[in-house]
Amino acid sequence: AQSVTQLDSQVPVFEEAPVELRCNYSSSVSVYLFWYVQYPNQGLQLLLKYLSGSTLVKGINGFEAEFNKSQTSFHLRKPSVHISDTAEYFCAVSEPGSARQLTFGSGTQLTVLP
Amino acid sequence: DTGVSQDPRHKITKRGQNVTFRCDPISEHNRLYWYRQTLGQGPEFLTYFQNEAQLEKSRLLSDRFSAERPKGSFSTLEIQRTEQGDSAMYLCASSLDGTVNYGYTFGSGTRLTVV
Repeated sequence: AQSVTQLDSQVPVFEEAPVELRCNYSSSVSVYLFWYVQYPNQGLQLLLKYLSGSTLVKGINGFEAEFNKSQTSFHLRKPSVHISDTAEYFCAVSEPGSARQLTFGSGTQLTVLP
Repeated sequence: DTGVSQDPRHKITKRGQNVTFRCDPISEHNRLYWYRQTLGQGPEFLTYFQNEAQLEKSRLLSDRFSAERPKGSFSTLEIQRTEQGDSAMYLCASSLDGTVNYGYTFGSGTRLTVV
């Protein structure tokens, strides 16, 4: 069975500073990896995904993530955050060939301070 | 088509009552998923449909829960004899099988409060 661990439940950071949100996964097979963002009282919006190929994945809103197979990690980064990036961020994993159901981590609340 | 629509956005119900939620997926999407998200947690998979067939159900889906997708279009999720533990956000998502880009679009959810 697959699982996802987001190591930080809350990350406060000042505006224009860099940020890294950590995600580790466990799975016995190769996986697809995703980051979603959720604003208050909203559904989830896909930020970026890793399916195959280059391990550095670029997404929307200036975010990027790097897949590290040996460390089973998929950390999300942004070099300079804005107030509008304040939201909950979820890492998720899916196994190729499955029903494409996603297994989510418990989320990281990113709060950008002025 | 503006995306996945869920109705209602909010529902408050008394314990023991039945509730039904509706999800309208993106029209060309043949897969539809239901997830449940409790406070402070990530979404948890409940069930999914390919067209009108319900192909998988999570152990989280007790016998008080039932989902349908008649004609392979919209879907409904019914909870009978609601309990306080059913209070959560219920999210619907849809995707197109075989999509190279692995598209998976979520709705805004229905927030259920059982009092």
